[in-house]
Amino acid sequence: QSVLTQPPSASGTPGQRVTISCSGSSSNIGSNYVYWYQQFPGTAPKLLIYRNNERPSGVPDRFSGSKSGTSASLAISGLRSDDEADFYCTAWDEVRSGPVFGGGTKLTVL
Amino acid sequence: QLHLQESGPGLVKASETLSLTCTVSGDSISSSHYFWGWIRQPPGKGLEWIGSMFYRTGTYYNPSLKSRVVISGDTSKNHCSLKMTSVTAADTAMYFCAGGDSRFLEWFAAFDVWGQGTMLTVSS
Repeated sequence: QSVLTQPPSASGTPGQRVTISCSGSSSNIGSNYVYWYQQFPGTAPKLLIYRNNERPSGVPDRFSGSKSGTSASLAISGLRSDDEADFYCTAWDEVRSGPVFGGGTKLTVL
Repeated sequence: QLHLQESGPGLVKASETLSLTCTVSGDSISSSHYFWGWIRQPPGKGLEWIGSMFYRTGTYYNPSLKSRVVISGDTSKNHCSLKMTSVTAADTAMYFCAGGDSRFLEWFAAFDVWGQGTMLTVSS
């Protein structure tokens, strides 16, 4: 059972905009930054969004993050077939004194 | 460019101690701004933080694993190591070593550089 809650799956067609939600509590998302990772099968996670809505160098601006209260979301616009991957949200948790993760969302491009 | 490479035995028997090593290149594990961490992922499942280390201040562990885990650094080899005692089948997972740049990340909250991971299977 993951501390942060994500939908197990999401889908869209090429060119569409898709959002993935991440729900937490006051001890994690409510009081700390949210981060997002993208993971392709058989590879390590890649940092996609940091500090709620910042993109590391090299991440296209098609990816954007937002946070409101104890929830966050990742939006992907102009969906491409090579966006198919698993996406994980994470945030520092004050009670557990460490980062906690969502269960991951598998994105399918139809 | 920072590069991390994990290494480990691949197979460990239940009740034994697991030892994994992360070789860091491109920076020092005693870096003034990089912190290090271990994260694992059971087959087909999500990510779980094991623990983190900043060489200058110490280590921090997942409370659910704290009693079995030790993370340490060796500056002579530029390694970050993970030891986990009394392993069980539930510890079967891909183990990732990762680094986080504190200049733009919250301390220990996330990681911007990852190794490729090393698979560990616990056999009975």
